[in-house]
Amino acid sequence: KAGVTQTPRYLIKTRGQQVTLSCSPISGHRSVSWYQQTPGQGLQFLFEYFSETQRNKGNFPGRFSGRQFSNSRSEMNVSTLELGDSALYLCASTRVGRTEAFFGQGTRLTVV
Amino acid sequence: DQQVKQNSPSLSVQEGRISILNCDYTNSMFDYFLWYKKYPAEGPTFLISISSIKDKNEDGRFTVFLNKSAKHLSLHIVPSQPGDSAVYFCAASPNSGGSNYKLTFGKGTLLTVNP
Repeated sequence: KAGVTQTPRYLIKTRGQQVTLSCSPISGHRSVSWYQQTPGQGLQFLFEYFSETQRNKGNFPGRFSGRQFSNSRSEMNVSTLELGDSALYLCASTRVGRTEAFFGQGTRLTVV
Repeated sequence: DQQVKQNSPSLSVQEGRISILNCDYTNSMFDYFLWYKKYPAEGPTFLISISSIKDKNEDGRFTVFLNKSAKHLSLHIVPSQPGDSAVYFCAASPNSGGSNYKLTFGKGTLLTVNP
């Protein structure tokens, strides 16, 4: 069974640009969550999607957005990139009714 | 306001001995607790979880203990192996996969197992 797949693995962007990251969950998993990992703040929850609806959102500015498609695949978008957005962005999928989240390898975003 | 705290940034143990990683939480709404292991440049790997209705859960070399009154949990690894060297994250959720689902993580403990 394939795990959670995130693309791309690495990305370098310039301040002010926007970026879209992609996540394919484990087959059969309908909940997809996104997390940001930075050295100073650790792993922080961005948002969670289930059946194409955002069910929960963390404390991030509106520049961070996401969506989920009918096949459960998800994308997150960051607009007007800032240097502080440099981080490892992790996607996780979860089975219905379960709490264990299974993570992808992440996308390392560097903003210069 | 850090709701999940791992007060030891690092821990070093000898191969074959027990590793004990600790975690404290403040939010009484947390109902489900998980431990993850993470290597650099990789995503966290799920290790073991425990529901608030239990005080212990075991899976091979890994055992998680939950003390709800103290809002404290710990992960025991016995025996420790050099391959266990990684950052360990404690995480908590208010419910099991419901509409309020999200994981709140501690900042991690770097475990080093010396041969």
